[in-house]
Amino acid sequence: DVKVTQSSRYLVKRTGEKVFLECVQDMDHENMFWYRQDPGLGLRLIYFSYDVKMKEKGDIPEGYSVSREKKERFSLILESASTNQTSMYLCASSLGIGRTGNGYTFGSGTRLTVV
Amino acid sequence: EDQVTQSPEALRLQEGESSSLNCSYTVSGLRGLFWYRQDPGKGPEFLFTLYSAGEEKEKERLKATLTKKESFLHITAPKPEDSATYLCAVQALNAGNMLTFGGGTRLMVKP
Repeated sequence: DVKVTQSSRYLVKRTGEKVFLECVQDMDHENMFWYRQDPGLGLRLIYFSYDVKMKEKGDIPEGYSVSREKKERFSLILESASTNQTSMYLCASSLGIGRTGNGYTFGSGTRLTVV
Repeated sequence: EDQVTQSPEALRLQEGESSSLNCSYTVSGLRGLFWYRQDPGKGPEFLFTLYSAGEEKEKERLKATLTKKESFLHITAPKPEDSATYLCAVQALNAGNMLTFGGGTRLMVKP
Protein backbone atom coordinates (compact mmCIF):
# COMPACT_ATOMS: atom_id res chain seq x y z
CA ASP A 1 0.00 0.00 0.00
CA VAL A 2 1.41 3.38 -0.99
CA LYS A 3 2.17 5.70 1.85
CA VAL A 4 3.17 9.09 3.09
CA THR A 5 4.84 8.67 6.44
CA GLN A 6 5.31 11.45 8.96
CA SER A 7 7.94 10.74 11.56
CA SER A 8 5.95 11.72 14.65
CA ARG A 9 2.24 11.63 15.52
CA TYR A 10 2.63 13.86 18.58
CA LEU A 11 5.40 16.29 19.46
CA VAL A 12 5.86 18.70 22.36
CA LYS A 13 8.56 21.34 22.04
CA ARG A 14 9.63 24.39 24.00
CA THR A 15 9.45 27.96 22.73
CA GLY A 16 12.60 28.88 20.85
CA GLU A 17 13.58 25.32 19.96
CA LYS A 18 14.44 24.36 16.39
CA VAL A 19 11.95 21.71 15.28
CA PHE A 20 12.23 19.25 12.42
CA LEU A 21 9.18 17.50 10.96
CA GLU A 22 10.03 14.72 8.55
CA CYS A 23 7.93 13.30 5.74
CA VAL A 24 8.74 10.36 3.48
CA GLN A 25 6.72 9.05 0.53
CA ASP A 26 7.21 5.76 -1.31
CA MET A 27 5.20 6.55 -4.45
CA ASP A 28 7.93 8.27 -6.48
CA HIS A 29 5.78 11.42 -6.50
CA GLU A 30 7.30 14.59 -7.89
CA ASN A 31 5.39 17.04 -5.69
CA MET A 32 5.37 17.32 -1.93
CA PHE A 33 3.52 19.76 0.31
CA TRP A 34 3.37 20.92 3.91
CA TYR A 35 0.10 22.21 5.35
CA ARG A 36 -1.04 23.22 8.76
CA GLN A 37 -4.61 22.68 9.85
CA ASP A 38 -6.31 24.69 12.58
CA PRO A 39 -9.96 24.69 13.70
CA GLY A 40 -11.97 27.20 11.71
CA LEU A 41 -9.06 28.01 9.36
CA GLY A 42 -8.96 24.85 7.28
CA LEU A 43 -5.85 23.70 5.45
CA ARG A 44 -3.21 26.36 4.88
CA LEU A 45 -0.25 25.76 2.60
CA ILE A 46 3.15 26.47 4.14
CA TYR A 47 5.60 25.31 1.46
CA PHE A 48 5.67 22.95 -1.48
CA SER A 49 8.28 21.35 -3.68
CA TYR A 50 7.94 20.11 -7.24
CA ASP A 51 11.41 18.60 -7.56
CA VAL A 52 14.49 17.75 -5.57
CA LYS A 53 16.16 20.84 -4.12
CA MET A 54 13.25 23.00 -5.38
CA LYS A 55 10.90 24.79 -3.02
CA GLU A 56 8.14 27.35 -3.29
CA LYS A 57 6.47 29.44 -0.61
CA GLY A 58 2.84 28.79 0.09
CA ASP A 59 0.38 31.07 1.81
CA ILE A 60 1.96 31.15 5.28
CA PRO A 61 5.73 30.51 5.04
CA GLU A 62 6.80 32.92 7.79
CA GLY A 63 8.67 31.16 10.58
CA TYR A 64 9.19 28.00 8.52
CA SER A 65 11.73 26.60 6.10
CA VAL A 66 11.92 23.35 4.15
CA SER A 67 14.46 20.96 2.73
CA ARG A 68 14.17 18.45 -0.06
CA GLU A 69 17.52 16.73 -0.65
CA LYS A 70 15.99 13.48 -1.94
CA LYS A 71 12.86 12.93 -3.99
CA GLU A 72 11.15 10.87 -1.33
CA ARG A 73 11.82 13.13 1.65
CA PHE A 74 10.48 16.60 2.48
CA SER A 75 11.35 18.19 5.79
CA LEU A 76 9.66 21.13 7.50
CA ILE A 77 11.78 23.19 9.85
CA LEU A 78 10.54 25.57 12.49
CA GLU A 79 13.57 27.79 13.01
CA SER A 80 12.52 29.03 16.45
CA ALA A 81 9.27 27.48 17.61
CA SER A 82 6.59 29.76 18.99
CA THR A 83 3.29 29.01 20.71
CA ASN A 84 1.33 30.23 17.67
CA GLN A 85 2.86 27.36 15.71
CA THR A 86 0.96 24.86 17.82
CA SER A 87 -1.07 23.03 15.19
CA MET A 88 -1.68 19.86 13.21
CA TYR A 89 0.89 19.58 10.43
CA LEU A 90 0.05 17.55 7.35
CA CYS A 91 2.43 16.40 4.66
CA ALA A 92 1.12 15.42 1.23
CA SER A 93 2.50 14.26 -2.09
CA SER A 94 1.19 14.11 -5.66
CA LEU A 95 2.11 13.18 -9.19
CA GLY A 96 3.72 15.65 -11.58
CA ILE A 97 2.03 18.23 -13.76
CA GLY A 98 -0.76 16.95 -15.97
CA ARG A 99 -1.18 13.72 -14.07
CA THR A 100 -4.15 14.09 -11.76
CA GLY A 101 -4.73 10.66 -10.30
CA ASN A 102 -6.02 10.86 -6.76
CA GLY A 103 -4.89 14.41 -6.14
CA TYR A 104 -2.86 14.44 -2.97
CA THR A 105 -1.94 11.54 -0.72
CA PHE A 106 -1.70 12.73 2.85
CA GLY A 107 0.30 11.54 5.79
CA SER A 108 -1.35 10.84 9.11
CA GLY A 109 -0.33 14.20 10.55
CA THR A 110 1.86 15.49 13.35
CA ARG A 111 0.17 17.23 16.25
CA LEU A 112 2.76 19.77 17.44
CA THR A 113 2.39 21.56 20.75
CA VAL A 114 4.78 24.39 21.58
CA VAL A 115 4.92 25.28 25.27
CA GLU B 1 -8.77 33.19 -8.02
CA ASP B 2 -9.99 29.64 -7.48
CA GLN B 3 -12.49 29.27 -4.65
CA VAL B 4 -14.20 26.33 -2.95
CA THR B 5 -17.07 26.73 -0.48
CA GLN B 6 -18.55 23.80 1.40
CA SER B 7 -21.90 23.75 3.12
CA PRO B 8 -23.12 23.16 5.68
CA GLU B 9 -20.16 23.57 8.04
CA ALA B 10 -21.62 20.89 10.30
CA LEU B 11 -24.40 18.37 9.84
CA ARG B 12 -26.04 16.15 12.42
CA LEU B 13 -27.97 13.13 11.16
CA GLN B 14 -29.72 10.21 12.73
CA GLU B 15 -28.56 6.81 11.62
CA GLY B 16 -30.37 5.97 8.38
CA GLU B 17 -31.25 9.59 7.60
CA SER B 18 -29.94 10.30 4.08
CA SER B 19 -28.60 13.74 3.16
CA SER B 20 -26.19 15.62 0.90
CA LEU B 21 -23.10 17.76 1.38
CA ASN B 22 -22.46 20.61 -1.04
CA CYS B 23 -19.22 21.85 -2.59
CA SER B 24 -19.53 25.00 -4.71
CA TYR B 25 -16.50 26.01 -6.72
CA THR B 26 -15.18 28.74 -8.97
CA VAL B 27 -12.23 27.77 -11.11
CA SER B 28 -10.77 28.87 -14.42
CA GLY B 29 -11.03 25.50 -16.10
CA LEU B 30 -11.44 22.36 -14.02
CA ARG B 31 -8.89 19.58 -14.21
CA GLY B 32 -10.41 17.58 -11.36
CA LEU B 33 -12.54 17.77 -8.22
CA PHE B 34 -11.63 15.64 -5.24
CA TRP B 35 -13.45 14.43 -2.14
CA TYR B 36 -11.60 13.37 0.99
CA ARG B 37 -12.67 11.99 4.33
CA GLN B 38 -10.82 13.07 7.48
CA ASP B 39 -11.20 11.40 10.85
CA PRO B 40 -10.26 13.36 14.00
CA GLY B 41 -6.51 13.56 14.53
CA LYS B 42 -5.71 11.92 11.18
CA GLY B 43 -4.81 12.99 7.67
CA PRO B 44 -7.43 13.20 4.91
CA GLU B 45 -8.10 10.01 2.97
CA PHE B 46 -8.99 10.03 -0.72
CA LEU B 47 -12.57 9.15 -1.67
CA PHE B 48 -13.29 10.26 -5.26
CA THR B 49 -12.02 12.17 -8.25
CA LEU B 50 -14.53 13.73 -10.68
CA TYR B 51 -13.39 15.23 -13.95
CA SER B 52 -16.40 16.51 -15.90
CA ALA B 53 -19.98 17.66 -15.41
CA GLY B 54 -22.43 14.79 -15.24
CA GLU B 55 -19.91 12.35 -13.83
CA GLU B 56 -20.85 10.26 -10.80
CA LYS B 57 -18.79 7.99 -8.54
CA GLU B 58 -20.04 5.63 -5.83
CA LYS B 59 -18.48 3.86 -2.88
CA GLU B 60 -20.64 2.01 -0.37
CA ARG B 61 -23.10 4.59 1.05
CA LEU B 62 -21.43 7.54 -0.67
CA LYS B 63 -22.12 8.95 -4.11
CA ALA B 64 -20.39 12.01 -5.54
CA THR B 65 -21.83 14.02 -8.42
CA LEU B 66 -20.50 16.97 -10.39
CA THR B 67 -22.01 19.91 -12.25
CA LYS B 68 -20.24 22.91 -13.78
CA LYS B 69 -20.56 24.88 -10.55
CA GLU B 70 -20.87 22.39 -7.70
CA SER B 71 -20.44 18.88 -6.46
CA PHE B 72 -22.60 16.93 -4.06
CA LEU B 73 -21.65 14.10 -1.77
CA HIS B 74 -24.79 12.10 -1.16
CA ILE B 75 -24.87 9.87 1.90
CA THR B 76 -27.50 7.16 1.84
CA ALA B 77 -28.65 5.56 5.09
CA PRO B 78 -25.58 6.74 7.02
CA LYS B 79 -24.10 4.83 9.93
CA PRO B 80 -22.23 6.23 12.96
CA GLU B 81 -18.94 5.15 11.38
CA ASP B 82 -19.57 7.65 8.57
CA SER B 83 -19.00 10.45 11.09
CA ALA B 84 -16.01 12.47 9.89
CA THR B 85 -15.08 15.72 8.21
CA TYR B 86 -15.50 15.64 4.44
CA LEU B 87 -13.21 17.88 2.39
CA CYS B 88 -13.67 18.99 -1.19
CA ALA B 89 -10.83 20.29 -3.37
CA VAL B 90 -10.43 21.45 -6.96
CA GLN B 91 -7.48 21.39 -9.30
CA ALA B 92 -7.51 24.04 -12.02
CA LEU B 93 -6.07 23.48 -15.47
CA ASN B 94 -3.62 26.35 -15.00
CA ALA B 95 -2.64 25.57 -11.41
CA GLY B 96 -0.01 22.93 -12.00
CA ASN B 97 -0.66 20.34 -9.34
CA MET B 98 -2.01 22.68 -6.69
CA LEU B 99 -5.32 21.89 -5.05
CA THR B 100 -7.64 24.50 -3.57
CA PHE B 101 -9.50 23.13 -0.56
CA GLY B 102 -12.85 24.00 0.93
CA GLY B 103 -13.33 24.42 4.66
CA GLY B 104 -14.95 21.01 5.06
CA THR B 105 -18.25 19.68 6.41
CA ARG B 106 -18.21 17.97 9.78
CA LEU B 107 -20.71 15.12 9.69
CA MET B 108 -22.02 13.54 12.89
CA VAL B 109 -24.26 10.48 12.64
CA LYS B 110 -26.03 9.48 15.83
CA PRO B 111 -27.23 5.92 16.47
